Amino acid sequence: QQQVKQSPQSLIVQKGGISIINCAYENTAFDYFPWYQQFPGKGPALLIAIRPDVSEKKEGRFTISFNKSAKQFSLHIMDSQPGDSATYFCAASLYTGGFKTIFGAGTRLFVKA
Amino acid sequence: EAGVAQSPRYKIIEKRQSVAFWCNPISGHATLYWYQQILGQGPKLLIQFQNNGVVDDSQLPKDRFSAERLKGVDSTLKIQPAKLEDSAVYLCASSSARQGKGNEQFFGPGTRLTVL
Repeated sequence: QQQVKQSPQSLIVQKGGISIINCAYENTAFDYFPWYQQFPGKGPALLIAIRPDVSEKKEGRFTISFNKSAKQFSLHIMDSQPGDSATYFCAASLYTGGFKTIFGAGTRLFVKA
Repeated sequence: EAGVAQSPRYKIIEKRQSVAFWCNPISGHATLYWYQQILGQGPKLLIQFQNNGVVDDSQLPKDRFSAERLKGVDSTLKIQPAKLEDSAVYLCASSSARQGKGNEQFFGPGTRLTVL
C-alpha cells in the first residue's frame, strides 16, 4: 500500500516533443506528490510538486496532471530539450510524525537532438 | 545558501569491512534523511531524524547499519560489516520544519559505495 508505481522505465523523445511519465499510488493518505530530476552523479532535485486538492499544476514547460479518483498522476514535459535528459522520479509523501516520502523506480529520459 | 554536503563521494571496500559516511545538512534544516539508492531504483529511506531524535528507522538493517545525528546538525551513517548487496549510492537529504516546507527535501550529491 506504500508503493508508488512509475512507468515507463525509459523514454526516448525527439527534441521539441512531449515527454509523459506516469505514476500510480494506493495509499489515499498521501498528500504531497513531488517530481524529482536526477542527473548522473548528482542527487535528486525537486522539479515540481502538487497537492491532491488541485488537478493540474504548471511551471514553465513542466506540468503535473493529477487524478485523485484514479490515484494517478503524471508529468508532462513540453518542448523537450536535450538538457532535459535525466532520470525522473515521482514520489508520494504523507505525515506520520515526520514527512515520509516513497519514491517510484524512476524513468530514464533521453531527448534526441 | 549552501547545499547538503556529503563525504566521501566514492568508497570502495571489501566485504565484511566497515565504512562511514558523513552528511552536513542545509543550515537550519531540522529534518535529515538517509536514503539508499541501488542502481536503477528510486531512493529508499533508511532513517529519518527530526533534530537529533529518530523519527523513522523501520527500514534500517539494524544488525549492520547505524546512524547518529550529532547535536541535531551533522550526521554519520555506518555499515559494519558490509555485504555485497550494500553496493549503492547513499543519499543524504534535509528539509525545513517550517510550515508548508516540510515536504520539500534537498539532496546531497551522494556517496557511491562499492563492496567487493
